[in-house]
Amino acid sequence: QKEVEQDPGPLSVPEGAIVSLNCTYSNSAFQYFMWYRQYSRKGPELLMYTYSSGNKEDGRFTAQVDKSSKYISLFIRDSQPSDSATYLCAMSERGSGTYKYIFGTGTRLKVLA
Amino acid sequence: DTGVSQNPRHKITKRGQNVTFRCDPISEHNRLYWYRQTLGQGPEFLTYFQNEAQLEKSRLLSDRFSAERPKGSFSTLEIQRTEQGDSAMYLCASSPPVAGSNEQFFGPGTRLTVL
Repeated sequence: QKEVEQDPGPLSVPEGAIVSLNCTYSNSAFQYFMWYRQYSRKGPELLMYTYSSGNKEDGRFTAQVDKSSKYISLFIRDSQPSDSATYLCAMSERGSGTYKYIFGTGTRLKVLA
Repeated sequence: DTGVSQNPRHKITKRGQNVTFRCDPISEHNRLYWYRQTLGQGPEFLTYFQNEAQLEKSRLLSDRFSAERPKGSFSTLEIQRTEQGDSAMYLCASSPPVAGSNEQFFGPGTRLTVL
C-alpha cells in the first residue's frame, strides 16, 4: 500500500462546476499538506500549503485536512477551462529533518467549456 | 524571473552516456531538493541539500547518480552510464530558511530521454 493514495482520474466537469479532489494517507506523522497544479510537461506549481488540520481558502481554492480520517481535499469553485491540469497532493512529516515530500499520483482534471 | 531554473530543459542521450543537469534555486533559499517524475506518477524524492551539505539520499539514487551543491547555491545532478529506465522528468525544488516551514517551489524540470 502506498503512503499516499490519489485517484488518477481523469475527472471531467463542465465549466462553472465545483470540483472536489481528494487524497488519503496512511502515515500519521504527516503534518504538512500541499496541493500542486501541474500542466502537461511543466513543473508543479504550489497552490495550497497547510499545516496540521483545518481549512484554508485562497480565492477559488479551498483546502481541507482531516487528520482523524487521514483525508485531505481540494475544492475548486467556479472551475474554468484553464484549470484543466493534473493536481498533485503532497505531504511531509514535521521534524523529519529533510521535510521531503511524498506525492500522490495526481488527478487529471478536464474542465469543459 | 526569480523562480527556480533548470537546464537543459530537454536532453536526449544514448544508453551508456553520462548526463549532467543543473538547478539554480530561488535566491537565498538554502534548501534544495531533487525529485524524479515518470509518466502518470507523482514526483519521487531523490536527494536533499541544506546549503552545501547533502543530508539525505533516497535508495532510488543508485551509485550511478551523484548530486552536488558545491557553494550552497546551484546544484548539479549527474547520471553515469544512463539506462532506458532513467528516462523521466528530473525536478528541482528549493525552500527558504524559515523555521518550521518547508514550502517547496519547483522548477520547470529537465526531461531526459534515453534511447
